[in-house]
Amino acid sequence: KQEVTQIPAALSVPEGENLVLNCSFTDSAIYNLQWFRQDPGKGLTSLLLIQSSQREQTSGRLNASLDKSSGRSTLYIAASQPGDSATYLCAVRNNYGQNFVFGPGTRLSVLP
Amino acid sequence: EAGVAQSPRYKIIEKRQSVAFWCNPISGHATLYWYQQILGQGPKLLIQFQNNGVVDDSQLPKDRFSAERLKGVDSTLKIQPAKLEDSAVYLCASSLVWGQLNTEAFFGQGTRLTVV
Repeated sequence: KQEVTQIPAALSVPEGENLVLNCSFTDSAIYNLQWFRQDPGKGLTSLLLIQSSQREQTSGRLNASLDKSSGRSTLYIAASQPGDSATYLCAVRNNYGQNFVFGPGTRLSVLP
Repeated sequence: EAGVAQSPRYKIIEKRQSVAFWCNPISGHATLYWYQQILGQGPKLLIQFQNNGVVDDSQLPKDRFSAERLKGVDSTLKIQPAKLEDSAVYLCASSLVWGQLNTEAFFGQGTRLTVV
């Protein structure tokens, strides 16, 4: 059974810092991995999708990497801004199943 | 392109009452998911449809929860009777058919249910 964990659970940084969020999964037989952002009281916004054959994906100030063999993904946020404050969730989709298994999320606060 | 639409946004009911949520996925998305998100946790899958067929409902509490997607487009999720522990955000998501190149999932805004 796939299990997904995220470290840290919460993070508070001053504006302008570069930061890394971590996601670990127990079963490396994944189809893809997706990073989401969730603002309080809102749904999930897709940030980046990494297929199992890819090593990384970039969108603006965001870069996500994937190391399938070690069961890890990282989300790198460059030059953080107060508007980046949200909960960041990673979700993996296995080869043998079609649904996403989510981590508990990392709650990020970027202080002005 | 329109996103995933959900209604209502908020619902407050008393325990033992019934409630229904509605979801309209992105046009052309054959796969539809219902997730339950309890405060402070990641979403947990309740049920997954491919067109109008159920792919996975292993975590759906079938004694009180039901869901349907009769025409393979929009879907309803029902809880009857509700319990206090059903208080959560119910998220609907859709994606292209699994196996296609881009199976990125898109989520709606969710329905926040409070059972009192």
